[in-house]
Amino acid sequence: AQSVTQLGSHVSVSEGALVLLRCNYSSSVPPYLFWYVQYPNQGLQLLLKYTTGATLVKGINGFEAEFKKSETSFHLTKPSAHMSDAAEYFCAGNSGAGSYQLTFGKGTKLSVIP
Amino acid sequence: DSGVTQTPKHLITATGQRVTLRCSPRSGDLSVYWYQQSLDQGLQFLIHYYNGEERAKGNILERFSAQQFPDLHSELNLSSLELGDSALYFCASSVGAGGPDTQYFGPGTRLTVL
Repeated sequence: AQSVTQLGSHVSVSEGALVLLRCNYSSSVPPYLFWYVQYPNQGLQLLLKYTTGATLVKGINGFEAEFKKSETSFHLTKPSAHMSDAAEYFCAGNSGAGSYQLTFGKGTKLSVIP
Repeated sequence: DSGVTQTPKHLITATGQRVTLRCSPRSGDLSVYWYQQSLDQGLQFLIHYYNGEERAKGNILERFSAQQFPDLHSELNLSSLELGDSALYFCASSVGAGGPDTQYFGPGTRLTVL
């Protein structure tokens, strides 16, 4: 069964600093992986996804993530944090093996300090 | 705006009551997924419908049921409500039922059970 672990429920960075949000998955089959962002009182918005092919995935708002099979990781990064990046970020995956519901991590709340 | 609509936005009701949450998927999407978001459980998959047929069930209580209609909108029925059912309920839609398909989330319905 698919499981997704996000390290750090809360991350604080200074404006302009590197953003690194960690996600590890466990699965018996190669997964499809997603990062979503949730702003207060809103639904989830897709940032990026990995399906097949290139392991470095670029998303919206300057975010990118790298799929590393050997480390079972899919960490999200952004070179320079902006105040508008403050939100909660969810890593999610599905095994693509007959049931396609998403399994979510617990989420990481990102604070950006001016 | 994801194109997925959910009504109502907020719902306040009492224990023991029954409520219906409604979801309209994006135009052209055949899949509808329901998720529950709570502080203690995080985001949990409830149920998936594809083109009117139930495809998968997750951690959905027997007191909860759902259906997808011929026009592809979906309803989630919650009955004999308990305090612990208070949560944010999201629906998501995708074009197909495949693993790599992006799931687009609605704004959610916040249910408060008093």
